[in-house]
Amino acid sequence: AQSVTQPDIHITVSEGASLELRCNYSYGATPYLFWYVQSPGQGLQLLLKYFSGDTLVQGIKGFEAEFKRSQSSFNLRKPSVHWSDAAEYFCAVGATDDKIIFGKGTRLHILP
Amino acid sequence: DADVTQTPRNRITKTGKRIMLECSQTKGHDRMYWYRQDPGLGLRLIYYSFDVKDINKGEISDGYSVSRQAQAKFSLSLESAIPNQTALYFCATSPASYNEQFFGPGTRLTVL
Repeated sequence: AQSVTQPDIHITVSEGASLELRCNYSYGATPYLFWYVQSPGQGLQLLLKYFSGDTLVQGIKGFEAEFKRSQSSFNLRKPSVHWSDAAEYFCAVGATDDKIIFGKGTRLHILP
Repeated sequence: DADVTQTPRNRITKTGKRIMLECSQTKGHDRMYWYRQDPGLGLRLIYYSFDVKDINKGEISDGYSVSRQAQAKFSLSLESAIPNQTALYFCATSPASYNEQFFGPGTRLTVL
């Protein structure tokens, strides 16, 4: 069965520092992969998605993610975080029956 | 105007009451979804619909029912609410298979 693992429940980084959020998936075929962000009190917003092609995907708000098939990973990165990036981040994989399976999320805290 | 709207945004009710959460969309998407979000558990799929005549159970459908009144409207009902249904509920839409899902702002439901 398809699944998504986000190993880090909470991550804290200083403003201006680089960020990497980890995501591992389980899926037999070529996966459809997503990263969503949920700001406090808001719904989820798509940051970026990978369907095929270039394994380095650029998204909104300066985020990027790299698909690594050999490691079953789709880690999210940002070179320099801003206080407004504090939010919860969800990795997701497109599964059978046209569903999307979400990870449990990583909450990002930013130190001033 | 928001593309995916949910009403109410907040609701407090008592055990045993019937509750309906409503979702409307102006995106013209055929696919609609209801999720439940609990802290530390991510998003779990309750029901989904690919068109007006197609309704499918998700991961946690027990205790819930849905109605797809039109392409643009998808309602979630709790026939007899119980305290462990206290959660944040999201509606989402999607234009096609394995594609991006667009989320509403959420309904925070508290069952006392």
